[in-house]
Amino acid sequence: DGGITQSPKYLFRKEGQNVTLSCEQNLNHDAMYWYRQDPGQGLRLIYYSQIVNDFQKGDIAEGYSVSREKKESFPLTVTSAQKNPTAFYLCASSPKAGSPYNEQFFGPGTRLTVL
Amino acid sequence: EDKVVQSPLSLVVHEGDTVTLNCSYEVTNFRSLLWYKQEKKAPTFLFMLTSSGIEKKSGRLSSILDKKELSSILNITATQTGDSAIYLCAGGTSYGKLTFGQGTILTVHP
Repeated sequence: DGGITQSPKYLFRKEGQNVTLSCEQNLNHDAMYWYRQDPGQGLRLIYYSQIVNDFQKGDIAEGYSVSREKKESFPLTVTSAQKNPTAFYLCASSPKAGSPYNEQFFGPGTRLTVL
Repeated sequence: EDKVVQSPLSLVVHEGDTVTLNCSYEVTNFRSLLWYKQEKKAPTFLFMLTSSGIEKKSGRLSSILDKKELSSILNITATQTGDSAIYLCAGGTSYGKLTFGQGTILTVHP
């Protein structure tokens, strides 16, 4: 069964802690993306990766870090430098890197709450 | 900076009504306009509109791209309670990056 999985579904973090959100896909897609969703603000791009061992900052990368060591996996670390991390985080993938005509497929999301 | 704006931000209708959702975009190297439906979690893909496919239809949903006005509309006819969701539009660039609008929250009452 092909798809994108994200874990955990819910995550609680204390202030000052780093946390890592997992994203895995078995669709053999080249490109992967991380978005943050806040109420009334739609989806904002944090980081994206078109190829293994390469990634680019999106519009709101400050306080976040990523890695792409395997094609299937694109974990996101929310660091203590992110001032307002409470949000819904969505991971997505698309078949071909750099193509303007591929839709992005989304995982089920992780809801992060800072206590 | 790329920008996508949707209107209205929220809409409440009754079953059977027809709704029109609007999306305007200012996207450098624009190539595509995408619509997604988000119910609880993952957005699901509805349509992609490009210069070679400016009108799409699937059942009660249809969408048109106006490249002159830099805008798109999503129409839903004979709405049902199952159409209640957040509808997102996104502008796609030549290198595959998407810029999303804020979304329109549609609520359909029985």
